[in-house]
Parts: sequence; structure tokens; C-alpha cells
Amino acid sequence: NAGVTQTPKFQVLKTGQSMTLQCAQDMNHEYMSWYRQDPGMGLRLIHYSVGAGITDQGEVPNGYNVSRSTTEDFPLRLLSAAPSQTSVYFCASSLNGGDEQFFGPGTRLTVL
Amino acid sequence: GNSVTQMEGPVTLSEEAFLTINCTYTATGYPSLFWYVQYPGEGLQLLLKATKADDKGSNKGFEATYRKETTSFHLEKGSVQVSDSAVYFCALRSGGTSYGKLTFGQGTILTVHP
Repeated sequence: NAGVTQTPKFQVLKTGQSMTLQCAQDMNHEYMSWYRQDPGMGLRLIHYSVGAGITDQGEVPNGYNVSRSTTEDFPLRLLSAAPSQTSVYFCASSLNGGDEQFFGPGTRLTVL
Repeated sequence: GNSVTQMEGPVTLSEEAFLTINCTYTATGYPSLFWYVQYPGEGLQLLLKATKADDKGSNKGFEATYRKETTSFHLEKGSVQVSDSAVYFCALRSGGTSYGKLTFGQGTILTVHP
């Protein structure tokens, strides 16, 4: 099992550009989520999904879109990047919402 | 809403010293409590958990007890090693409409010197 994988590991964008952060898991987990990690603030939930075709907003959803067309994949889209979106992004998955969550290695994004 | 407060870091210790990282929480209902660890350049890993009051979670020499009366879940280890150097996050998960959502503290950086 590869677990939770994320690509790319690093990315630099200019303000206004769009991009997609990829997340995939091979554990047949129903629950997937995206967090951002900022210094002194811990991790904050952006969006989550309880299964294919179902997504919902977390604590800080503005400026981000998600979709869940398959159980395995949960991409995060930045529509028009802003410097405030400079952060480290983590994807996580669990068998269900009440189970242990497994985190990917993260994507470090810088927006200039 | 839910919140988690951790002691401010960074924490610097010598090898074999005793470690305590304080964590208190605010939540509705009966949350589950977690400690996650993040080693340099890696994602978060679950270190230990407790799902009800008075439960003690333990792993790799670390322990934490779910204290509902003081809304706390302090992390302890009797003798730290250099390899314990990492960032530690306290987190909670409550049920109901918060199903599956983790609320994290700000993280505490631990550095252990030989």
C-alpha cells in the first residue's frame, strides 16, 4: 500500500494563477479531507468528503474547490491563487469519519 | 465551537529528561482526543488517542489521560530521546454535525539534545 500520496511536493505560483493539488489513497477509505498548516495555527480543515460524489466545506473553504468522482482521488483546486494561500497543504483519509485519519506527506505552496 | 489550546513552544530538553506538553480543550458533547506527531519533512502520524473520560492512551513511551473534569489531555514521556524531536499536535473530534472533523491545537515544537 502506498497509503495517501500527494503531488506535487512543492509549487510556486504567481497571484491569480490556478492549479490543482492532487491527493490519492489506495486504502479504499470513504472519508477524505484537506487541511492547511500555517505557523502558530495548527491545521485547519478546508474541505472534506464522506464518499464519492459527496463533499462539504470545512473551516476555511474560501478560494478552494474540491470534487470526489472516485473513492481514491480527492483533488483540491485553487481558482485564483492569492499570497494568503501560501501554506503547507495536507490530505488525509480514514475508513470512515470516526476512524483514525492517515495523512499524506504534504504540498508546500508559495504564492508570489 | 470546538477549540484546542496547547502550551506554547518551542520546548528544548536534554536526552532522558521528563516531558510534559499541556493540552486543554473546549467542545460540546463527548469528544475523542488525539495526539499527532509530525517529524521533519513528513505528514502527521497518530501517536495516541482516547475516546472517553479517564481513558489513557499510550504509545512509544508516551502517555495521555482524558480528564473531563479539567478538559485536559496532557502528553507525557518519562525519558525523551533525540529521535522524539518533532512537532506535536493535540486534536479533538466530536460527533454529530462535526463527524470526522478534527480540530487541532497550534502545535508544540520539541527539540531534544544529546
